[in-house]
Amino acid sequence: DAGVIQSPRHEVTEMGQEVTLRCKPISGHNSLFWYRQTMMRGLELLIYFNNNVPIDDSGMPEDRFSAKMPNASFSTLKIQPSEPRDSAVYFCASNRGGIEAFFGQGTRLTVV
Amino acid sequence: GQQVMQIPQYQHVQEGEDFTTYCNSSTTLSNIQWYKQRPGGHPVFLIQLVKSGEVKKQKRLTFQFGEAKKNSSLHITATQTTDVGTYFCAGQSPGTGNQFYFGTGTSLTVIP
Repeated sequence: DAGVIQSPRHEVTEMGQEVTLRCKPISGHNSLFWYRQTMMRGLELLIYFNNNVPIDDSGMPEDRFSAKMPNASFSTLKIQPSEPRDSAVYFCASNRGGIEAFFGQGTRLTVV
Repeated sequence: GQQVMQIPQYQHVQEGEDFTTYCNSSTTLSNIQWYKQRPGGHPVFLIQLVKSGEVKKQKRLTFQFGEAKKNSSLHITATQTTDVGTYFCAGQSPGTGNQFYFGTGTSLTVIP
């Protein structure tokens, strides 16, 4: 298995632009997580899907952030409009049955 | 939300010295996982502890889950330069679903 696949690996965008991050979980995994990592705040859980349904989105910073999982093999995290404080590494992770989470390589987002 | 704190935030050790990081949760956990993140990399699962007072070993690494299931520790004996990275604990609370809340992490530097 190729593992959790995220794209793009790096994204540089101007403030105010829309940014879409993509994730393909490991086949057969029924849970998907989006995390944001910064030096100041560490690894923050943004949203968690189970069987494609959003279960807990209490970590989503504000209405500018939205996440979807249209099917078991694809999820997106969208930021519109983006702001410099959104600059971070965004990780997608998946697992099955509450056991170990497998992380993707991450997307390093820079908003200038 | 759930608070998972780790101490210390940073630790520098001479190669060959021991290292310990401590994880404390504000709530009782159903289980706890430990992850390692190398510089520039993504978190990689190390182990999961489920039972109160459980102790598990992986070569030079010893993991412990507290009796009250609110704290945990990771001890590395005789550190090596390959141990460099940030160690995270991640807790899962009963009845809250499959999501894990990551601790603040301990960054380990090993001086050759």
